[in-house]
Amino acid sequence: AQSVTQLDSQVPVFEEAPVELRCNYSSSVSVYLFWYVQYPNQGLQLLLKYLSGSTLVESINGFEAEFNKSQTSFHLRKPSVHISDTAEYFCAVSDPMDSSYKLIFGSGTRLLVRP
Amino acid sequence: GAGVSQSPSNKVTEKGKDVELRCDPISGHTALYWYRQRLGQGLEFLIYFQGNSAPDKSGLPSDRFSAERTGESVSTLTIQRTQQEDSAVYLCASSLGAWGLFGFRGYTFGSGTRLTVV
Repeated sequence: AQSVTQLDSQVPVFEEAPVELRCNYSSSVSVYLFWYVQYPNQGLQLLLKYLSGSTLVESINGFEAEFNKSQTSFHLRKPSVHISDTAEYFCAVSDPMDSSYKLIFGSGTRLLVRP
Repeated sequence: GAGVSQSPSNKVTEKGKDVELRCDPISGHTALYWYRQRLGQGLEFLIYFQGNSAPDKSGLPSDRFSAERTGESVSTLTIQRTQQEDSAVYLCASSLGAWGLFGFRGYTFGSGTRLTVV
């Protein structure tokens, strides 16, 4: 069964600094990969996804993630964070062979951006 | 509606009581998922409904947990004889449906029901 590991439970960073949130998943022939964001008191929102094609995927608010099959990783990066990026970030994987297409989530990383 | 609606938003119950949580998916979304998020942990899959197909119940943690959905409408998650370890946020998500042939349809999550068992 698939599993997802987010090694960092909390990442504090100063505003305008770069950040990387790490995500590793258990090995599989093929996977779909996602990053979701949960702002305080809000529901989960899709940030970006990898289904196929280019291994580098980007979101509209400056985040990017790169699918690395050999490392079984899908780390999330942003070159310059804003206070408004403070949120909980969840990495998730879905098995294309699973007809339910359910998501398997990591435990989350709380990004805390300080002025 | 415009989004996935869950009720109640907060529920405090005594140990041993039964609780019922409700999810109202986006109209037309045939797929519905329930997840549980314990404090400091990721989301755990509980159950999946797709149209009138038999649900995928593989994530339900015990026989105290059950869920129903009639067609493509509201779903209820019932927890019988609640225990303190059931305290968590219960999230519901809906989707346009199985997306193998049609590409990724995306999930929309509700804001969740925070259940506290005292």
